Amino acid sequence: DMQMTQSPSSLSASVGDRVTITCRASHSIGNYLNWYQQKAGKAPQLLIYAASSLQTGVPSRFSGSGSGTDFTLTINSLQPEDFATYYCQQSYSTPRGPVTFGQGTRLEIK
Amino acid sequence: QVQLVESGGGLVKPGGSLRLSCEASGFIFSDYYMTWIRQAPGKGLEWVSYISLSSSYTNYADSVKGRFTISRDNAKNSLYLQLNSLTAEDTALYYCARSPGYSSSSTGALDIWGQGTMVTVSS
Repeated sequence: DMQMTQSPSSLSASVGDRVTITCRASHSIGNYLNWYQQKAGKAPQLLIYAASSLQTGVPSRFSGSGSGTDFTLTINSLQPEDFATYYCQQSYSTPRGPVTFGQGTRLEIK
Repeated sequence: QVQLVESGGGLVKPGGSLRLSCEASGFIFSDYYMTWIRQAPGKGLEWVSYISLSSSYTNYADSVKGRFTISRDNAKNSLYLQLNSLTAEDTALYYCARSPGYSSSSTGALDIWGQGTMVTVSS
């Protein structure tokens, strides 16, 4: 089965910082990679789809890149509301194969 | 507005059953693939099941295969998940979410999520 490895698992940063989170797939998934933000007690929200497309309404400080097996989520100029947990997700083999989430990256205030 | 509302969660004994529902509003339900995802307390997201537009195709995580059944009623704008033979490992917040598609432009992105319904399996 496809494995998604996210790193780091946690990250401390300050308001205004630039942070990068990476997601690595065990096999090539083309651009079938999506990123979500989850705040405490809330449902996840889609940030980036197709590896680099910004979901409507998401601030432009969020960006995604990558293809094949290696992907990154970058947040420029961190804002207080960005401190949350971030997940990558692949659905390359759907419907015949499973959807897989990364284990998550918890972004905390330094 | 566009929303998904889950219901049906609760406390159930090991070996018991539950039926979760997800009611859609504000969009054409039959145009979207639907997925169930769960999140155990303090843990990450785990995909549970998927169903295609007309229910012609379903898929399940290995952890629930043979015990859970996904279904949908497009006339009622509703998605369901039947949970049988429940164990403590099934304790989680269960979310439903929609996806516009699985092409290289949509990539199975889950663009709308419900607020979740909690399932607790305990004696």
